[in-house]
Amino acid sequence: DVKVTQSSRYLVKRTGEKVFLECVQDMDHENMFWYRQDPGLGLRLIYFSYDVKMKEKGDIPEGYSVSREKKERFSLILESASTNQTSMYLCASSLVNKPYEQYFGPGTRLTVT
Amino acid sequence: AQSVTQLGSHVSVSEGALVLLRCNYSSSVPPYLFWYVQYPNQGLQLLLKYTTGATLVKGINGFEAEFKKSETSFHLTKPSAHMSDAAEYFCAVIKAAGNKLTFGGGTRVLVKP
Repeated sequence: DVKVTQSSRYLVKRTGEKVFLECVQDMDHENMFWYRQDPGLGLRLIYFSYDVKMKEKGDIPEGYSVSREKKERFSLILESASTNQTSMYLCASSLVNKPYEQYFGPGTRLTVT
Repeated sequence: AQSVTQLGSHVSVSEGALVLLRCNYSSSVPPYLFWYVQYPNQGLQLLLKYTTGATLVKGINGFEAEFKKSETSFHLTKPSAHMSDAAEYFCAVIKAAGNKLTFGGGTRVLVKP
């Protein structure tokens, strides 16, 4: 059974803190994605990676960075968390030749106070 | 740029009634089209997809969708709603040679007994 796991289901951080969200997939997928999900806005792509150490900005990269040192792991970093980054964060992965068939993790609900 | 519009952020149906979720897209070229479903406290999973071929596609759990190019639509239907269909549904598009999905805002379905 394919699996995408995220390090935390719920996270509460203070404004200005550095925040790391971790995602691991066990399917040997080349592509990995980070989205944020907000009511009424659907999912918006923050960053995606198509290979180790390779990354591409999505639609809303401001305030975020990513790291992919190993194929199975993709990290989202909030350098200095702000209240407007309170959201649900979803990680996904896919094969490089099927970017539309994404497998999602359960999400991390981040609250920044 | 592509965009996806889902009409209605919330839909309430009675158990056994028709489920109809509307999705319209704007794209300079015919895209590939998808519906994803998110059950409570879970990540998204692919419900069905249209890439090429037959415009009426069937997915899991009795759902189907029809691609209508003239109407730029990809509405999702299920003849008879079940309580387990209560979830949030997302329409998504991708360009044929693209690698990034664009999601609609989502429609939350409530099923009444």
